[in-house]
Amino acid sequence: AQRVTQPEKLLSVFKGAPVELKCNYSYSGSPELFWYVQYSRQRLQLLLRHISRESIKGFTADLNKGETSFHLKKPFAQEEDSAMYYCALMAGGTSYGKLTFGQGTILTVHP
Amino acid sequence: DVKVTQSSRYLVKRTGEKVFLECVQDMDHENMFWYRQDPGLGLRLIYFSYDVKMKEKGDIPEGYSVSREKKERFSLILESASTNQTSMYLCASSLSGGGRQPQHFGDGTRLSIL
Repeated sequence: AQRVTQPEKLLSVFKGAPVELKCNYSYSGSPELFWYVQYSRQRLQLLLRHISRESIKGFTADLNKGETSFHLKKPFAQEEDSAMYYCALMAGGTSYGKLTFGQGTILTVHP
Repeated sequence: DVKVTQSSRYLVKRTGEKVFLECVQDMDHENMFWYRQDPGLGLRLIYFSYDVKMKEKGDIPEGYSVSREKKERFSLILESASTNQTSMYLCASSLSGGGRQPQHFGDGTRLSIL
């Protein structure tokens, strides 16, 4: 069975500082990894996925299969980045698109 | 743009009641999911469905059942509500087929069981 771990429940940074939200996973196959974000009073939405290899809102995430990690990074945090962030894994095969989520990290960016 | 609509934003029910949470998606997605979201626990999968009338248990199905009579609608049923089912419930849908497609979420239903 797969597992996703986000070791930090809370993360606080100041505006303009770099931010890194950690995500580690365990899965024996080839995973698809996602980051989802939930802003205050909004629905959970996809931020980025590793297969796209794109930067969204200044965030990037690189899949490191050796370290089984998919950390989310942004060089200069903004106040509007304050939100709940979830890392999620989708297994291969006939998984029917099921996602396994981490526990989530609440990011607060102070002015 | 995908629209996943959950029938209620807030719901208050009493212990022992049978509770129905409804979810509708408008993008002809094959897969639909029900999660509960609790602080410190993340999202946990209750049930999912990959086709009409098809359903599979997720990680925490106890005390819940589901119904999918039409492709666009997926209902979550609390057979006899208990206080430990007080939570935020999220519905999601995704395309099936080749490639691993992301899930799209509704706004959630905050359910309180008194």
